[in-house]
Amino acid sequence: GAVVSQHPSWVICKSGTSVKIECRSLDFQATTMFWYRQFPKQSLMLMATSNEGSKATYEQGVEKDKFLINHASLTLSTLTVTSAHPEDSSFYICSARELAGAYNEQFFGPGTRLTVL
Amino acid sequence: AQKVTQAQTEISVVEKEDVTLDCVYETRDTTYYLFWYKQPPSGELVFLIRRNSFDEQNEISGRYSWNFQKSTSSFNFTITASQVVDSAVYFCALGYTGGFKTIFGAGTRLFVKA
Repeated sequence: GAVVSQHPSWVICKSGTSVKIECRSLDFQATTMFWYRQFPKQSLMLMATSNEGSKATYEQGVEKDKFLINHASLTLSTLTVTSAHPEDSSFYICSARELAGAYNEQFFGPGTRLTVL
Repeated sequence: AQKVTQAQTEISVVEKEDVTLDCVYETRDTTYYLFWYKQPPSGELVFLIRRNSFDEQNEISGRYSWNFQKSTSSFNFTITASQVVDSAVYFCALGYTGGFKTIFGAGTRLFVKA
Protein backbone atom coordinates (compact mmCIF):
# COMPACT_ATOMS: atom_id res chain seq x y z
CA GLY A 1 0.00 0.00 0.00
CA ALA A 2 0.92 3.63 -0.35
CA VAL A 3 3.15 4.94 2.39
CA VAL A 4 3.63 8.48 3.60
CA SER A 5 6.40 9.36 5.99
CA GLN A 6 6.97 12.42 8.12
CA HIS A 7 10.16 13.68 9.62
CA PRO A 8 10.78 14.33 12.40
CA SER A 9 8.24 12.34 14.37
CA TRP A 10 8.61 14.75 17.26
CA VAL A 11 10.47 17.97 17.88
CA ILE A 12 10.99 20.26 20.82
CA CYS A 13 12.16 23.78 20.18
CA LYS A 14 12.53 27.12 21.89
CA SER A 15 10.10 29.92 21.33
CA GLY A 16 11.10 32.08 18.37
CA THR A 17 12.84 29.41 16.37
CA SER A 18 11.66 27.93 13.08
CA VAL A 19 10.89 24.28 12.59
CA LYS A 20 10.66 22.38 9.32
CA ILE A 21 8.57 19.25 8.95
CA GLU A 22 8.93 17.00 5.94
CA CYS A 23 6.23 14.88 4.34
CA ARG A 24 7.25 12.29 1.78
CA SER A 25 5.28 9.87 -0.34
CA LEU A 26 7.57 6.86 -0.43
CA ASP A 27 6.15 4.67 -3.15
CA PHE A 28 3.89 6.89 -5.19
CA GLN A 29 3.73 10.33 -6.74
CA ALA A 30 1.52 12.83 -4.98
CA THR A 31 -0.02 15.66 -6.95
CA THR A 32 -1.59 17.09 -3.86
CA MET A 33 -0.55 17.09 -0.25
CA PHE A 34 -2.55 18.31 2.70
CA TRP A 35 -1.41 19.59 6.06
CA TYR A 36 -3.54 19.17 9.15
CA ARG A 37 -3.13 20.33 12.72
CA GLN A 38 -4.56 18.53 15.70
CA PHE A 39 -4.65 20.02 19.18
CA PRO A 40 -5.01 17.68 22.16
CA LYS A 41 -8.38 15.98 22.29
CA GLN A 42 -9.55 17.77 19.19
CA SER A 43 -10.16 16.82 15.61
CA LEU A 44 -7.91 17.23 12.61
CA MET A 45 -8.21 20.67 11.09
CA LEU A 46 -7.06 21.24 7.55
CA MET A 47 -4.46 23.97 7.38
CA ALA A 48 -3.56 24.03 3.72
CA THR A 49 -3.55 22.21 0.44
CA SER A 50 -0.43 22.14 -1.67
CA ASN A 51 -0.09 21.14 -5.27
CA GLU A 52 3.28 20.29 -6.73
CA GLY A 53 4.92 23.31 -8.27
CA SER A 54 2.37 25.87 -7.18
CA LYS A 55 1.57 27.95 -4.15
CA ALA A 56 -0.32 26.38 -1.31
CA THR A 57 -3.93 27.23 -0.61
CA TYR A 58 -4.50 28.05 3.03
CA GLU A 59 -7.70 27.58 4.96
CA GLN A 60 -9.35 30.57 6.51
CA GLY A 61 -7.63 31.65 9.69
CA VAL A 62 -4.29 30.01 8.92
CA GLU A 63 -1.42 32.48 8.64
CA LYS A 64 0.44 31.74 5.44
CA ASP A 65 3.46 33.77 6.55
CA LYS A 66 3.75 31.72 9.69
CA PHE A 67 3.17 28.31 8.16
CA LEU A 68 5.27 28.13 5.02
CA ILE A 69 4.51 25.25 2.74
CA ASN A 70 6.68 24.12 -0.13
CA HIS A 71 5.74 21.31 -2.50
CA ALA A 72 8.80 21.19 -4.69
CA SER A 73 8.44 17.68 -6.03
CA LEU A 74 5.85 14.98 -6.48
CA THR A 75 7.14 13.17 -3.43
CA LEU A 76 8.00 15.90 -0.96
CA SER A 77 6.19 18.69 0.79
CA THR A 78 7.54 20.69 3.70
CA LEU A 79 5.84 22.72 6.37
CA THR A 80 7.93 25.34 8.14
CA VAL A 81 6.59 26.86 11.31
CA THR A 82 8.32 30.21 11.50
CA SER A 83 9.03 31.93 14.80
CA ALA A 84 7.24 29.20 16.68
CA HIS A 85 5.47 30.02 19.93
CA PRO A 86 3.98 27.77 22.60
CA GLU A 87 0.52 28.10 21.07
CA ASP A 88 1.88 26.42 17.93
CA SER A 89 2.51 23.27 19.92
CA SER A 90 0.38 20.66 18.24
CA PHE A 91 0.33 17.42 16.30
CA TYR A 92 0.88 18.06 12.60
CA ILE A 93 -0.26 15.46 10.11
CA CYS A 94 0.21 15.43 6.37
CA SER A 95 -1.61 13.43 3.76
CA ALA A 96 -0.87 12.82 0.13
CA ARG A 97 -3.16 12.20 -2.80
CA GLU A 98 -1.84 9.81 -5.38
CA LEU A 99 -1.27 11.10 -8.90
CA ALA A 100 -3.23 8.36 -10.56
CA GLY A 101 -5.26 7.21 -7.62
CA ALA A 102 -8.95 6.94 -7.11
CA TYR A 103 -10.96 9.98 -6.36
CA ASN A 104 -10.04 11.44 -3.04
CA GLU A 105 -7.76 8.57 -2.13
CA GLN A 106 -5.49 10.04 0.50
CA PHE A 107 -2.79 8.47 2.57
CA PHE A 108 -1.84 9.91 5.91
CA GLY A 109 1.57 10.26 7.45
CA PRO A 110 2.25 9.22 11.05
CA GLY A 111 2.29 12.80 12.30
CA THR A 112 4.84 15.12 13.90
CA ARG A 113 4.44 16.26 17.46
CA LEU A 114 5.74 19.79 17.94
CA THR A 115 6.37 21.19 21.38
CA VAL A 116 7.45 24.80 21.67
CA LEU A 117 8.92 25.80 25.02
CA ALA B 1 -21.74 23.36 3.54
CA GLN B 2 -19.81 20.22 4.21
CA LYS B 3 -20.02 18.97 7.75
CA VAL B 4 -19.54 15.82 9.78
CA THR B 5 -21.15 15.41 13.17
CA GLN B 6 -20.12 12.83 15.71
CA ALA B 7 -22.42 13.57 18.59
CA GLN B 8 -20.82 11.07 20.98
CA THR B 9 -17.77 12.64 22.53
CA GLU B 10 -16.83 9.68 24.70
CA ILE B 11 -18.17 6.18 25.08
CA SER B 12 -17.16 3.74 27.75
CA VAL B 13 -18.00 0.05 27.50
CA VAL B 14 -16.94 -3.15 29.13
CA GLU B 15 -15.05 -5.67 27.09
CA LYS B 16 -17.22 -7.92 24.91
CA GLU B 17 -19.99 -5.39 24.67
CA ASP B 18 -21.12 -4.19 21.27
CA VAL B 19 -20.79 -0.48 20.61
CA THR B 20 -22.04 1.77 17.81
CA LEU B 21 -20.40 5.04 16.90
CA ASP B 22 -22.68 7.50 15.18
CA CYS B 23 -21.81 9.72 12.24
CA VAL B 24 -24.06 12.18 10.45
CA TYR B 25 -22.85 14.17 7.49
CA GLU B 26 -23.98 17.11 5.38
CA THR B 27 -23.06 17.75 1.79
CA ARG B 28 -24.65 19.10 -1.35
CA ASP B 29 -22.47 16.97 -3.57
CA THR B 30 -23.97 13.92 -5.19
CA THR B 31 -20.57 12.28 -5.37
CA TYR B 32 -18.70 12.01 -2.13
CA TYR B 33 -16.80 9.57 0.02
CA LEU B 34 -17.17 8.65 3.64
CA PHE B 35 -14.38 7.31 5.80
CA TRP B 36 -13.72 5.96 9.24
CA TYR B 37 -10.31 6.24 10.84
CA LYS B 38 -8.97 4.97 14.13
CA GLN B 39 -6.44 7.02 16.05
CA PRO B 40 -4.74 5.09 18.85
CA PRO B 41 -2.70 6.89 21.52
CA SER B 42 0.34 6.84 19.24
CA GLY B 43 -1.46 9.38 17.06
CA GLU B 44 -1.12 7.69 13.71
CA LEU B 45 -4.37 7.50 11.79
CA VAL B 46 -5.43 4.00 10.84
CA PHE B 47 -7.69 3.77 7.82
CA LEU B 48 -10.70 1.53 8.44
CA ILE B 49 -13.09 1.98 5.54
CA ARG B 50 -14.03 4.12 2.58
CA ARG B 51 -17.49 4.17 1.09
CA ASN B 52 -18.62 6.15 -1.95
CA SER B 53 -21.99 7.83 -2.16
CA PHE B 54 -23.33 5.39 -4.72
CA ASP B 55 -22.67 2.31 -2.67
CA GLU B 56 -25.13 1.92 0.17
CA GLN B 57 -24.30 -1.68 0.89
CA ASN B 58 -23.45 -2.34 4.46
CA GLU B 59 -20.07 -3.84 5.09
CA ILE B 60 -18.69 -6.23 7.63
CA SER B 61 -15.03 -6.80 8.32
CA GLY B 62 -14.41 -9.11 11.21
CA ARG B 63 -15.79 -7.46 14.33
CA TYR B 64 -16.38 -4.20 12.48
CA SER B 65 -19.48 -3.31 10.52
CA TRP B 66 -20.73 -0.15 8.89
CA ASN B 67 -24.25 1.01 8.12
CA PHE B 68 -24.58 3.64 5.42
CA GLN B 69 -27.99 5.25 5.00
CA LYS B 70 -28.25 8.12 2.56
CA SER B 71 -31.84 8.78 3.57
CA THR B 72 -30.66 9.89 7.00
CA SER B 73 -27.16 11.00 5.93
CA SER B 74 -25.62 8.62 8.40
CA PHE B 75 -22.65 6.31 8.31
CA ASN B 76 -22.55 4.46 11.60
CA PHE B 77 -19.84 2.13 12.79
CA THR B 78 -20.38 -0.86 15.05
CA ILE B 79 -17.76 -2.84 16.90
CA THR B 80 -18.99 -6.24 17.98
CA ALA B 81 -17.56 -7.90 21.07
CA SER B 82 -15.31 -4.96 21.85
CA GLN B 83 -11.78 -5.51 23.10
CA VAL B 84 -9.42 -3.36 25.13
CA VAL B 85 -7.30 -2.84 22.01
CA ASP B 86 -10.26 -1.08 20.43
CA SER B 87 -9.74 1.83 22.83
CA ALA B 88 -8.93 4.81 20.64
CA VAL B 89 -10.42 7.89 19.08
CA TYR B 90 -12.51 7.16 16.01
CA PHE B 91 -13.04 9.76 13.33
CA CYS B 92 -15.68 9.82 10.66
CA ALA B 93 -14.73 11.90 7.63
CA LEU B 94 -16.25 13.22 4.42
CA GLY B 95 -14.39 13.62 1.18
CA TYR B 96 -15.97 15.82 -1.46
CA THR B 97 -15.38 17.69 -4.68
CA GLY B 98 -13.56 20.96 -4.65
CA GLY B 99 -9.92 20.33 -4.01
CA PHE B 100 -10.40 16.77 -2.87
CA LYS B 101 -10.59 17.91 0.71
CA THR B 102 -11.46 15.69 3.62
CA ILE B 103 -13.54 17.03 6.48
CA PHE B 104 -13.25 15.26 9.80
CA GLY B 105 -15.81 14.94 12.52
CA ALA B 106 -14.91 15.83 16.07
CA GLY B 107 -14.13 12.23 16.90
CA THR B 108 -15.49 9.77 19.44
CA ARG B 109 -13.20 8.57 22.18
CA LEU B 110 -13.89 4.94 22.97
CA PHE B 111 -12.80 3.38 26.23
CA VAL B 112 -13.07 -0.36 26.49
CA LYS B 113 -12.56 -1.62 30.01
CA ALA B 114 -11.42 -5.12 30.83
